[in-house]
Amino acid sequence: EDKVVQSPLSLVVHEGDTVTLNCSYEVTNFRSLLWYKQEKKAPTFLFMLTSSGIEKKSGRLSSILDKKELFSILNITATQTGDSAIYLCAVGGSWGKLQFGAGTQVVVTP
Amino acid sequence: DTGVSQDPRHKITKRGQNVTFRCDPISEHNRLYWYRQTLGQGPEFLTYFQNEAQLEKSRLLSDRFSAERPKGSFSTLEIQRTEQGDSAMYLCASSPSAGVRLDEQYFGPGTRLTVT
Repeated sequence: EDKVVQSPLSLVVHEGDTVTLNCSYEVTNFRSLLWYKQEKKAPTFLFMLTSSGIEKKSGRLSSILDKKELFSILNITATQTGDSAIYLCAVGGSWGKLQFGAGTQVVVTP
Repeated sequence: DTGVSQDPRHKITKRGQNVTFRCDPISEHNRLYWYRQTLGQGPEFLTYFQNEAQLEKSRLLSDRFSAERPKGSFSTLEIQRTEQGDSAMYLCASSPSAGVRLDEQYFGPGTRLTVT
């Protein structure tokens, strides 16, 4: 059965710290891995990584995909209180369906 | 605003009643998806459409659930004879239908359903 596992489930950091979030997966016919940020509303798209794009960076956020070891990492540097959210990892396998992990709750304290 | 929109944002209903939710996708997106999210979990796939054709349905989608996208634009999700276990956030997403951005799904604000 396909599965997506995120770790840790939650963490608390101080402003300015660096955060590393993990996502491992076992999905049939892997096609893509996506990261979303969810505050008190719907998920907001951050990155999509595929075989042709295994590293992405946007400002203080960056992500890599290791297709051999079946995992991805999302890094947030110089964290700010506005980074507090749930970060969701999702994997595209079967056509049209994303399978999500349970998410990592990040709390950034001032 | 050209993002995904959903209506209503909140719905409180009594057990046994029927409810219907609407989703309007990003206009140039041919694919439309429905997910359900409960507290502490990631979204779970329910079903998706390519234009007006419903192409896949999850086993989570019992006979009480039905989704339509009659003209390939907006979609509705109906739940009949609601149960307390149906209480959740119902999310709609849309994406382009081809190319490398096929999986790049953009979500609407969701409809929070509470069944009392």
